[in-house]
Amino acid sequence: GEDVEQSLFLSVREGDSSVINCTYTDSSSTYLYWYKQEPGAGLQLLTYIFSNMDMKQDQRLTVLLNKKDKHLSLRIADTQTGDSAIYFCAASSGGYQKVTFGTGTKLQVIP
Amino acid sequence: DAGITQSPRYKITETGRQVTLMCHQTWSHSYMFWYRQDLGHGLRLIYYSAAADITDKGEVPDGYVVSRSKTENFPLTLESATRSQTSVYFCASKERGRTDTQYFGPGTRLTVL
Repeated sequence: GEDVEQSLFLSVREGDSSVINCTYTDSSSTYLYWYKQEPGAGLQLLTYIFSNMDMKQDQRLTVLLNKKDKHLSLRIADTQTGDSAIYFCAASSGGYQKVTFGTGTKLQVIP
Repeated sequence: DAGITQSPRYKITETGRQVTLMCHQTWSHSYMFWYRQDLGHGLRLIYYSAAADITDKGEVPDGYVVSRSKTENFPLTLESATRSQTSVYFCASKERGRTDTQYFGPGTRLTVL
């Protein structure tokens, strides 16, 4: 089955850019997602990208997809302390709507 | 309130007891899901439902039972709780369609002693 991997921790200074990386194994993955989880809360969808796209930009967020390497990244420009959270990468190939989540990357923003 | 809610938010129980976690959504979404979140494992799918009276197993279904008699409710029951079921449980829902955007509840933190 699909396997989605992320590094566990990232620390950046406020104002810098953050880049969170993710790799997946299923080349038939059609949708790739980034979710954000704040402490004590559920996951909230940040953005998603279709597999036929290379890049998607949404305000401070930029998603890059390298289908050949099965690599997805999330760049957060001008990172703020409010961006401190766990970020989950997820992949889906459709079907019965099964989504496979990565282990999450904890982003720490240092003031 | 509109959205997806879970109850209780926190629960402590003992090994062998039956526990039911509730999930309610107000959007009339077709799909509903139960995940557990454990350190080092991310989110793992326990069960899902495509519609009322239609449920199916996910990645880690053993020890859990679900039902969906109404579209808006999707309770998860631990028939005989074990310590390994200590976790944070998330319910999610999704409308039928091509984009797999799931909307998550706030979670239930369950501790089995």
